[in-house]
Amino acid sequence: DVKVTQSSRYLVKRTGEKVFLECVQDMDHENMFWYRQDPGLGLRLIYFSYDVKMKEKGDIPEGYSVSREKKERFSLILESASTNQTSMYLCASSLSQGAGMNTEAFFGQGTRLTVV
Amino acid sequence: AQSVTQLDSQVPVFEEAPVELRCNYSSSVSVYLFWYVQYPNQGLQLLLKYLSGSTLVESINGFEAEFNKSQTSFHLRKPSVHISDTAEYFCAVKGTGGFKTIFGAGTRLFVKA
Repeated sequence: DVKVTQSSRYLVKRTGEKVFLECVQDMDHENMFWYRQDPGLGLRLIYFSYDVKMKEKGDIPEGYSVSREKKERFSLILESASTNQTSMYLCASSLSQGAGMNTEAFFGQGTRLTVV
Repeated sequence: AQSVTQLDSQVPVFEEAPVELRCNYSSSVSVYLFWYVQYPNQGLQLLLKYLSGSTLVESINGFEAEFNKSQTSFHLRKPSVHISDTAEYFCAVKGTGGFKTIFGAGTRLFVKA
């Protein structure tokens, strides 16, 4: 089974801190994604990556950056945390488009971040 | 670009009653369609998917969804729900040539005894 592991389930950080959220997948997936989930808004894409060292902005990239130095690891960075970044963060991975039937995303358990 | 609209934010239903969770999408290209389920304090997991072929797709726990291209809909149904089906359900769409999966806002299903 595909496993996507997020380093923390719960985090509490102070305003202005630099925050790192880590995600590791063990199935050699090319694509990795970071979403944030807020009530009534569903999942919104922050950044995604389709290859090592490649990254693309999603729908709400402001205030975030990402790093993908190795295929299995995708990090989300909050440069200077603010209270409006309090949210559930979900990491996901998927095979490339050439995978045909196996194109769905696999998700980690989520990190609930509170910025105070 | 694609978008997804889930028409109900909450659906309360009694145990053993039928349920339908509605989903409409828009896209200028061909799409894959998905339903994901999220149980409390967990990530999302795939419930079922439509890629091609038969427009009616089923999950292992009794849910089904039908792709209706003319209505641009992908409604999720179950003829008899259980307490354990209480969760949040997300409809999602992905362009067949794209990377990104776009999610709806979610529907909270409450199954009451």
